[in-house]
Amino acid sequence: GAGVSQSPSNKVTEKGKDVELRCDPISGHTALYWYRQRLGQGLEFLIYFQGNSAPDKSGLPSDRFSAERTGESVSTLTIQRTQQEDSAVYLCASSIRAGARAGELFFGEGSRLTVL
Amino acid sequence: SQQGEEDPQALSIQEGENATMNCSYKTSINNLQWYRQNSGRGLVHLILIRSNEREKHSGRLRVTLDTSKKSSSLLITASRAADTASYFCATDERAQKLVFGQGTRLTINP
Repeated sequence: GAGVSQSPSNKVTEKGKDVELRCDPISGHTALYWYRQRLGQGLEFLIYFQGNSAPDKSGLPSDRFSAERTGESVSTLTIQRTQQEDSAVYLCASSIRAGARAGELFFGEGSRLTVL
Repeated sequence: SQQGEEDPQALSIQEGENATMNCSYKTSINNLQWYRQNSGRGLVHLILIRSNEREKHSGRLRVTLDTSKKSSSLLITASRAADTASYFCATDERAQKLVFGQGTRLTINP
């Protein structure tokens, strides 16, 4: 597609369930980023991929969070045993490259997660 | 970690006035970017300024960068109701990832 696509756009789940959030970046973009945004707050960095590798996982809040990327394309963010504090909008972005020459990030519309 | 911090947190002005938002950061950077977010969903890139640049213009936007003070400002001239949004600065922390601030919520009153 022309832009970054995220699914689902909205997800309501019960505490303790696992959820998977998907991101389809712009074709040809080697860098992919996941951010979390709580209501009325800024963006919290979670993880980024260069190709299929994740050089920086420092933002993942706990071991309940994991992410993978395959084929230098689609990425999945998995949250296991969800907690109410996981409720937020999860934003994915891609760029042509990462690092010092990263340039502009292109964002998806986000996946809004609500944990009851 | 939050690298960039915007100031003010919220700004409300009349249509036609100019809006100025500031961003401060902590570490050395290669570039600084400004983004806009409507309705708490996706962000849209506005402008990028490199560390060796001091000022950049794009339409009604003017960005300045002072690396000695580790600060940047975004000026929106002749504001319009459609400019109502949250504005974020982002810096490339240690040339790896883009780190965003908490944002400035701008409201333009008709």
